[in-house]
Amino acid sequence: GAGVSQTPSNKVTEKGKYVELRCDPISGHTALYWYRQSLGQGPEFLIYFQGTGAADDSGLPNDRFFAVRPEGSVSTLKIQRTERGDSAVYLCASSLGPTGGTEAFFGQGTRLTVV
Amino acid sequence: DAKTTQPPSMDCAEGRAANLPCNHSTISGNEYVYWYRQIHSQGPQYIIHGLKNNETNEMASLIITEDRKSSTLILPHATLRDTAVYYCIVRVNRGSTLGRLYFGRGTQLTVWP
Repeated sequence: GAGVSQTPSNKVTEKGKYVELRCDPISGHTALYWYRQSLGQGPEFLIYFQGTGAADDSGLPNDRFFAVRPEGSVSTLKIQRTERGDSAVYLCASSLGPTGGTEAFFGQGTRLTVV
Repeated sequence: DAKTTQPPSMDCAEGRAANLPCNHSTISGNEYVYWYRQIHSQGPQYIIHGLKNNETNEMASLIITEDRKSSTLILPHATLRDTAVYYCIVRVNRGSTLGRLYFGRGTQLTVWP
């Protein structure tokens, strides 16, 4: 597809379980971003990849959260020992990168519910 | 870090221009002004950005004051589909903090028939 694709669109998990959220960026976009959005709030920054490396992971709330982008394309956000407070919409975005357009294009998000 | 201030809500009649203000009095010389919007249950959508000159594209116009401490997003002919939360963001265009967009709470624009 032409846009950023996130799977699954919805995920319900039990407290304490491990989850993986996937993001397929727009082809050719070297920059990839993860955000999360709680109800009634704007999206909050989690991590930014330039290529395969995390250029800025200062938004990850704690060490239960981890993200990878091994081949510089698809990225996976991993959450260990999920807690009810992790429930939110997790948004992924991509852009051409620092030498190209900097407009970030967002996916539809994955709604994570921890019960 | 709240770098922008926006009114929480605004209304606009369909077909009229919607003018959404944003204050960014602490903006740095290398920071751009970006606008995004988020329609209910969708991801944010890029609208426009600028550094100091006014900008226009097929979606909107961006007017930045000469001192760069405030800006206005203009939707020239608002439609019902423009009902959304509009976010004004300041960010650098280079470096490791490129990805860090601070969205805040934005302005809920409601376009009524």
